[in-house]
Amino acid sequence: QLQLVQSGPEVKKPGSSVKVSCEPSGGTFSTYTFTWVRQAPGQGLEWMGRIIPVFGSTNYAQKFQDRVTITADESTTSIYMELSNLRSDDTAVYFCARSPRSGNFFDYWGQGSLVSVPS
Amino acid sequence: SYVLTQPPSVSVAPGQTARLTCGGNNIGSRSVHWYQQKPGQAPALVMYDDTDRPSGIPERFSGSNSGNTATLTMSRVEAGDEADYYCQVWDTGSDQLVFGGGTKLTV
Repeated sequence: QLQLVQSGPEVKKPGSSVKVSCEPSGGTFSTYTFTWVRQAPGQGLEWMGRIIPVFGSTNYAQKFQDRVTITADESTTSIYMELSNLRSDDTAVYFCARSPRSGNFFDYWGQGSLVSVPS
Repeated sequence: SYVLTQPPSVSVAPGQTARLTCGGNNIGSRSVHWYQQKPGQAPALVMYDDTDRPSGIPERFSGSNSGNTATLTMSRVEAGDEADYYCQVWDTGSDQLVFGGGTKLTV
């Protein structure tokens, strides 16, 4: 059973950046796609972007295009999401999720990483 | 950008059938996926490609998609089905992934 293990909670100041990690157990990216989704308190799911590590290709949500960077590091076998210029409304739980080779849906999810940006 | 519309809440008595809808322009031409999220947990896939159930999801869960509405149907609803449910598609036109706003199912 695959597990996606995410980094711990963060408290950040407005204007700063945060980098959240996601490590698939088993130590391989293969040809899967990894995605970041966030959820503000009491709100719905919001897609941020995705990466296909084997190709190094990324897609970003238009809303976050200017502030988010998703990367993959083969040496650490981890996926990273960096969000810059943080605001209080970036306070949310950030999830990584994996898509199988065959579709644009998510069969495995990380446990979530809480990022707090107090105003 | 493509928009998915879900009713904010649906209530159903135990043992009855719950039908959760997801509306979108010509959504029947897209593959729709559904997630269940319980409080404090990550979402979990309950239906993919309109009608396919992941392993471990009971046969009580079924899906359909036609015209402008996709539907997740749960028969013989149990207290454990109480959760938020989200529909999702990939918009090939804009290369963006879209979630519906979610429906809170109360049993």
